[in-house]
Amino acid sequence: QVQLVQSGPELKKPGASVKVSCKSSGYTFTAYNINWVRQAPGQGLEWMGSIGAYTGNTNIAQKFQGRVIMTRDTSTSTAYMELRSLRSDDTAVYYCAREWEGAVPLDYWGQGTPVTVSS
Amino acid sequence: DIQMTQSPSTLSGSVGDRVTITCRASQSISNLLAWYQQKPGKAPKLLIYDASSLDSGVPSRFSGSGSGTEFTLTISSLQPDDFAAYYCQQYNIYPFTFGQGTKLEIK
Repeated sequence: QVQLVQSGPELKKPGASVKVSCKSSGYTFTAYNINWVRQAPGQGLEWMGSIGAYTGNTNIAQKFQGRVIMTRDTSTSTAYMELRSLRSDDTAVYYCAREWEGAVPLDYWGQGTPVTVSS
Repeated sequence: DIQMTQSPSTLSGSVGDRVTITCRASQSISNLLAWYQQKPGKAPKLLIYDASSLDSGVPSRFSGSGSGTEFTLTISSLQPDDFAAYYCQQYNIYPFTFGQGTKLEIK
C-alpha cells in the first residue's frame, strides 16, 4: 500500500534550519512529484512547493524562495524539505504529499511533522 | 498568484442535510480544482479532483462541479463523519493555492 512516512517532531531556535524527510513506499517513486504543504496552528493549508522525483526539478512558492531547498534521493525513495532562517511564524505542521503531475493532485499524504520555532 | 476564495468560512448542518461549499478562483483554472477534507490532528484527504472526479473510496454523497472560476462541493446527505474542514485547491498554475477553508459544524 502507498505510504509516505515523515520524520519526527522538531524544536528549533529562531535563525536555525530544519530538514524534514518524507519516505515513500508502495509505488514507483520517480513517477510522481512530491509536494510540501504546511499548516500553522489553527490556520489553513499553505502550499510551499514541489519536486519532481524523477527530474529533481522544483517549483517553490515565491514566499519561500531563498529559504527553502527541496531535494530527493531516488535510491531510498525519500524527499527532503529544508527550511532555513527559521522564524516563530514558521511554527507549523509540515506535510508531504504525492502528486501525479497533470492527472491527480495530492492523493496520498504523510502524517505531518510538527516544527516548533521558539527561543 | 491565483487567489482561491471559499464561502462560507463556517457552515452549520444537521445529519441528513444537503450542504454546498463554493470556491472561486481569481482567474480561470479550467477544471483543475481539488477538494480536500481535514479532521483535527490529521492530514488532509483528497475527495475530488478535476472539479468533479471522485477519488477512490470516497462516498457518492460527495460531488463537485464547476469550471473556469466557480466551483462547488456538495454533500447530498450529511453523515456524522462529514463534520470537518474542507479546502479547495487549484493545480492549474504554480503556485498551487488553497482556499482558506470551510469548517462544517454540527447544528
